[in-house]
Amino acid sequence: GESVGLHLPTLSVQEGDNSIINCAYSNSASDYFIWYKQESGKGPQFIIDIRSNMDKRQGQRVTVLLNKTVKHLSLQIAATQPGDSAVYFCAENIEETEGNNRLAFGKGNQVVVIP
Amino acid sequence: NAGVTQTPKFRVLKTGQSMTLLCAQDMNHEYMYWYRQDPGMGLRLIHYSVGEGTTAKGEVPDGYNVSRLKKQNFLLGLESAAPSQTSVYFCASSYPHGGLNTEAFFGQGTRLTVV
Repeated sequence: GESVGLHLPTLSVQEGDNSIINCAYSNSASDYFIWYKQESGKGPQFIIDIRSNMDKRQGQRVTVLLNKTVKHLSLQIAATQPGDSAVYFCAENIEETEGNNRLAFGKGNQVVVIP
Repeated sequence: NAGVTQTPKFRVLKTGQSMTLLCAQDMNHEYMYWYRQDPGMGLRLIHYSVGEGTTAKGEVPDGYNVSRLKKQNFLLGLESAAPSQTSVYFCASSYPHGGLNTEAFFGQGTRLTVV
């Protein structure tokens, strides 16, 4: 079947190395950002989020950095494992009108972990 | 606790046929979303709902209709299917917390092929 990763930017990383995935967002008023991981044939899964009043947040083996000046978001994965092979999406929360929020997704980055 | 459940998981339609995709969530979430995912395109928002009885258009609403008659269900309808609607469809839900949006939880997807 078709892969959601087809034609996506691909990061190949050696097992055990660190991975950095980048994302540019569009709306300077966005106040909330999320990274999702999507494995083949599955729905996206939440990894980590960050609000606009922070510039860094750490989880288990993952760190998200937010640079509001240049509207840039990154996800760092420490000690990448084969199970980290997936497509990674960033999403920004956009407030259309008061109380109407929607998540807008980037196109995704494919991460391939080489054993 | 099933989370977000989509039915059906797979469907093949002929051009011009109609169908309804059902999304059900058991987390008492206020917000629900329908996305479509095409290779290399990321997730594009079709329609969303911020509460029972309300719906709003997303980025790519044409050719689709939705209804949110019950808080736990969000239906996506295709009145007259076209080959361009061949895609993987994802439903998601989220809840506002302290007036702020939070991460969305996704279903496993519905793969629709229109021939």
